[in-house]
Amino acid sequence: GAVVSQHPSWVICKSGTSVKIECRSLDFQATTMFWYRQFPKQSLMLMATSNEGSKATYEQGVEKDKFLINHASLTLSTLTVTSAHPEDSSFYICSARDAGTGASPLHFGNGTRLTVT
Amino acid sequence: RKEVEQDPGPFNVPEGATVAFNCTYSNSASQSFFWYRQDCRKEPKLLMSVYSSGNEDGRFTAQLNRASQYISLLIRDSKLSDSATYLCVAEGGAGSYQLTFGKGTKLSVIP
Repeated sequence: GAVVSQHPSWVICKSGTSVKIECRSLDFQATTMFWYRQFPKQSLMLMATSNEGSKATYEQGVEKDKFLINHASLTLSTLTVTSAHPEDSSFYICSARDAGTGASPLHFGNGTRLTVT
Repeated sequence: RKEVEQDPGPFNVPEGATVAFNCTYSNSASQSFFWYRQDCRKEPKLLMSVYSSGNEDGRFTAQLNRASQYISLLIRDSKLSDSATYLCVAEGGAGSYQLTFGKGTKLSVIP
């Protein structure tokens, strides 16, 4: 079945550094990918919608200059957390839908647990 | 504001019990609904889609009531491996793929 691979699974970084998270669709093309963030005991919150070949669409309250999204190909989207701070520590998850199968459910990556010290 | 509301639980049930989760959604334009399962510190995994006519997959039964904007999940003969958080998800209508997640209902199945 369709698989979404996310890397890295976990990362610890110092405050002020940048972290890049990759999301790949392994056996399907995804014109759109989604980036979510989940704080402990909270629901997944959509941060932005990544569109292949065009600018990402950010949800209200999400800083586009801090969370840089690049969707350069039909199988890869990246999220870069720039100048990370401890409050950015969270579980980041990407998801994608097979562009060739209409209304198929989203497939999630395995998530990235970010800890900023 | 588009929201999905769930009872956070936890639901602590013995093995073999039947347990039901409920969920309400506020966006009447939502077209599709799903139940996802999320284990601790893991990504959500699709459990089942929810259809208007109701649908069953083994021990799991999902139902949708569009008039009441209400979704349910029934788990029969609970197993220890069913312990997880169950997320109710509504997908926006009018061509939008945006999903709105509930905060999840935590289930613990006890030996």
